[in-house]
Amino acid sequence: KAGVTQTPRYLIKTRGQQVTLSCSPISGHRSVSWYQQTPGQGLQFLFEYFSETQRNKGNFPGRFSGRQFSNSRSEMNVSTLELGDSALYLCASTYGLAPYQETQYFGPGTRLLVL
Amino acid sequence: GDSVTQMEGPVTLSEEACLTINCTYTATGYPSLFWYVQYPGEGLQLLLKATKADDKGSNKGFEATYRKETTSFHLEKGSVQVSDSAVYFCALSSDGNYGQNFVFGPGTRLSVLP
Repeated sequence: KAGVTQTPRYLIKTRGQQVTLSCSPISGHRSVSWYQQTPGQGLQFLFEYFSETQRNKGNFPGRFSGRQFSNSRSEMNVSTLELGDSALYLCASTYGLAPYQETQYFGPGTRLLVL
Repeated sequence: GDSVTQMEGPVTLSEEACLTINCTYTATGYPSLFWYVQYPGEGLQLLLKATKADDKGSNKGFEATYRKETTSFHLEKGSVQVSDSAVYFCALSSDGNYGQNFVFGPGTRLSVLP
């Protein structure tokens, strides 16, 4: 079956702009998690959505938000971009029914560069 | 809170050498433990996992055993190949108030030379 897909793969924005990233999970998966990966901070959890509801949230400012649609596709939005938001944004999906034993399947990521 | 510590590397080995990447964790309760691998320009892929104490995960010649007494999940391979060059992440998943809490280690970059 098809894997997790993320669009776009690459994005260049300027400070102050906003950006929306998209993630389509594996068919049948209802949980989508978002991560930020940077060389300095590593992989940091942003938030998780399950059945259109945010179920878990990491320690990021309110500029970072997300949502999930009825078909389990998810979007992540970052407003008022800062230089430090430059990162690889990864999306991962699971069935979400047995939370902490499930394997997360990752997409290839969206690389965001903020100038 | 929960945390994962692993050797950051980089680790450079010759082909057919033995590999050990140490990973220790701190968590309340009984987390599941994972090793993920990230090849250049790609997302993360699950390498192996263990969901309870004394479980051994294995895949592609890699192994790791869930040691509750030492809170460790070290990754081992008896003979590495050039194609194993990648970044390896140790991770744990624990049951938050409701839902999954995934915590990753900083990653260990492995370079295998022919």
